[in-house]
Amino acid sequence: NAGVTQTPKFQVLKTGQSMTLQCAQDMNHNSMYWYRQDPGMGLRLIYYSASEGTTDKGEVPNGYNVSRLNKREFSLRLESAAPSQTSVYFCASSEATPREYFGPGTRLTVT
Amino acid sequence: GQQVMQIPQYQHVQEGEDFTTYCNSSTTLSNIQWYKQRPGGHPVFLIQLVKSGEVKKQKRLTFQFGEAKKNSSLHITATQTTDVGTYFCAGSFNNNDMRFGAGTRLTVKP
Repeated sequence: NAGVTQTPKFQVLKTGQSMTLQCAQDMNHNSMYWYRQDPGMGLRLIYYSASEGTTDKGEVPNGYNVSRLNKREFSLRLESAAPSQTSVYFCASSEATPREYFGPGTRLTVT
Repeated sequence: GQQVMQIPQYQHVQEGEDFTTYCNSSTTLSNIQWYKQRPGGHPVFLIQLVKSGEVKKQKRLTFQFGEAKKNSSLHITATQTTDVGTYFCAGSFNNNDMRFGAGTRLTVKP
């Protein structure tokens, strides 16, 4: 039972490049989330998916797209990376309660 | 907009001293959660508070939810080096929106 897994762990991109961050959970949770964490700003919600087939914008969605591929997997795509997207990205999942289980994170640097 | 303010941003204590972090919202929360993130790690759920005035304890950690459900605190008694990390609150609003506080980074000097 791995919980929430994320790939890659680290990534360096040049401005304008694209990439997809992958997330999978094996807890059969309906809800999945993508957050970014920046120093002094806590965690901010980018997008979430309340159930398979649905996605909604969070607090900071600009510059990102998501896909809920199936119940297990929720990916985050940066179409044209910008230095402002340098951050640590966390995927999380939850069931009926608000309690969220976080993945190990992806450290992204955009130069 | 809806937000949760958390103070202090940093706290450095001597091992054995107490530590408290506070969260405050301008609007009523339906519940509040607390998470701990070790350096280089990911947030780990500690507890959820739902009821007005609720107090819960986990060993040396005491969590409180205010009577008006607009503020909360986490108090650690006699800190240990294993308590090092960043503590976040996350408040849920009545529209199911959840906001994290900015976190309090605790360092403990042995």
